[in-house]
Parts: sequence; structure tokens; C-alpha cells
Amino acid sequence: QQQVKQSPQSLIVQKGGISIINCAYENTAFDYFPWYQQFPGKGPALLIAIRPDVSEKKEGRFTISFNKSAKQFSLHIMDSQPGDSATYFCAASRGSNYQLIWGAGTKLIIKP
Amino acid sequence: DAGVIQSPRHEVTEMGQEVTLRCKPISGHNSLFWYRQTMMRGLELLIYFNNNVPIDDSGMPEDRFSAKMPNASFSTLKIQPSEPRDSAVYFCASTGPPPLWGYTFGSGTRLTVV
Repeated sequence: QQQVKQSPQSLIVQKGGISIINCAYENTAFDYFPWYQQFPGKGPALLIAIRPDVSEKKEGRFTISFNKSAKQFSLHIMDSQPGDSATYFCAASRGSNYQLIWGAGTKLIIKP
Repeated sequence: DAGVIQSPRHEVTEMGQEVTLRCKPISGHNSLFWYRQTMMRGLELLIYFNNNVPIDDSGMPEDRFSAKMPNASFSTLKIQPSEPRDSAVYFCASTGPPPLWGYTFGSGTRLTVV
């Protein structure tokens, strides 16, 4: 019940396309859902986060869609660029600074 | 702010040697986390501290691993004796009390045990 399942494991998208990464969770006590972006040789960096009182949050080209009843949330990257090529992790927790439960990660490659 | 600072960036050591990884969290953050990342196992939480007190060390692989946080600005992760299977990237992350959101990760220490 503590798991966060992330898919796909890897994703190749053409430049300008939409990249979509999905996550599912079981624990209904989770109330904070961040996405992290990791470039090679760097630590993960917070990209965008959402709480379950809203169904969508948008920051620039990045959007989180949240479906509380289905216990799923997804990251959409619009107009994907080669610079977006990275590994993306979803996570979940109770509160913003409690222990995060991590998805397994998605390696995203944007083809020029 | 310089962010979370980890040292060294790279460490190559021989099996059986002691290894000490260091972390300086962001000033004002009161929670600190040590993670290990490998291709096979992804991101694994080893231990986390809240207000310098270890809260959950269930991820520490075995007694060869130990972590300390003597004050709010410094933490160490020690492996003694090191083994080749400990080779990984070790990350330190910190976060603050609300409304400070999200973890800030350091750049990691790439450990190679030969």
C-alpha cells in the first residue's frame, strides 16, 4: 500500500510532441504529489507538485493532472524539447516534508 | 544559498576500507535524508533525520552503514568496511518545515568500491 507505480519505464517523443508519464498509488492518506526531474550526474530537482484538492496544476509547459477517485496522477510535458530529456520521478507523501515514496522513474528522450 | 553540499563528488576505495560521505543541508531546513541510487534498485531511502534526530533508519542495509547528524548543518554517512556492492551514487537531500516545500538534493557522491 506504500508503493507508487510509475509508467512507462522509458519514453521516446519527437520534439514538439506531448510527453505523458503516469503514476498510481494505493494509500489514500497521501496528500502531496511531487514530480522530480533528474539530469545525468545531478540530483533530482523538484519540478512541480500538487495536492489532491485540485485536479490540475500547470507551470509553463509542465502540467500535473490528478484523478483522486482513480488514485492516479500524471505529468504532461507540452511542446517537448531536447532539453527535457531526463529521468522523471513521481512521488507521494503525507505532508510536504514527510518521507517521500518514490516511483521507479521514467527515462525520457526527446528526439530532435 | 549554495544548496545542499555534498563531498566528495567521487570516491574510489578498496574493499574493506572505511568511507565517509559528508553533507551540508540548506540553512533553515530541519529534515535531512540520505539516499542511494543504482540502476538496479533506483532511489532507496537509507535514513532520515528530523531536527538532527534519526527518525527512520530501516533502509540502512546493514550494520556496516552508520549515519550521524551532530548539528543542523552537517551530516555524515559512514560505510565500514566497504564492499563492491556498495558502489552507487549517494545523495543527501534536505527540506524545511511548511511552507518550505519539497526536497532539495545535493549533486551526490559517486562511490566505487574495487
